[in-house]
Amino acid sequence: GAVVSQHPSRVICKSGTSVKIECRSLDFQATTMFWYRQFPKQSLMLMATSNEGSKATYEQGVEKDKFLINHASLTLSTLTVTSAHPEDSSFYICSALYPPGQVYEQYFGPGTRLTVT
Amino acid sequence: AQSVAQPEDQVKVAEGNPLTVKCTYSVSGNPYLFWYVQYPNRGLQFLLKYITGDNLVKGSYGFEAEFNKSQTSFHLKKPSALVSDSALYFCAVRGYLSNFGNEKLTFGTGTRLTIIP
Repeated sequence: GAVVSQHPSRVICKSGTSVKIECRSLDFQATTMFWYRQFPKQSLMLMATSNEGSKATYEQGVEKDKFLINHASLTLSTLTVTSAHPEDSSFYICSALYPPGQVYEQYFGPGTRLTVT
Repeated sequence: AQSVAQPEDQVKVAEGNPLTVKCTYSVSGNPYLFWYVQYPNRGLQFLLKYITGDNLVKGSYGFEAEFNKSQTSFHLKKPSALVSDSALYFCAVRGYLSNFGNEKLTFGTGTRLTIIP
């Protein structure tokens, strides 16, 4: 149980275009999901907390208009990188809290490698 | 503010030897501590956690970690290393739940473990 998937695993896009990344909890309902960004050989940086049915909470320094997060259902959160630029190239990882009602753990998706050319 | 320190960027151990990956933390109140492993171009996989109870926690793949409150440490250990243990290891601490179900994990900078055949 507690499997989290991401799609796509890799994406290459041109500068100025938008890219959507999906994060799904496959066998459980996730009211809270998180989006992280990881630079090469560095730790994970929390970008935002995504709550089903409400607006995402962004960390300080993260542009909410650039990184649009939508958590429209209990099993799906999406991250849209708008007007992407080469500096947005990174490894994006989502996670979901599980199980509900107990001490929470985060289960991570496999990540999405974004390359902006 | 909570923080995690992994003092070693890299650890090299001969196959069959015991290994230790160090982690110290700082957090208000009781800590919830986690270890995750990351393989190249993959998301994080949960190894083990400390919530309460026994200071020695056993996890996946033969790993264990020892919680030491006085030293604020949570070192990861394994009695006999395998080449397949080579990966990037992250220690993380979970802080106080300001909102139910809305928590944040703070990650260390990671330790690259290399097991030498």
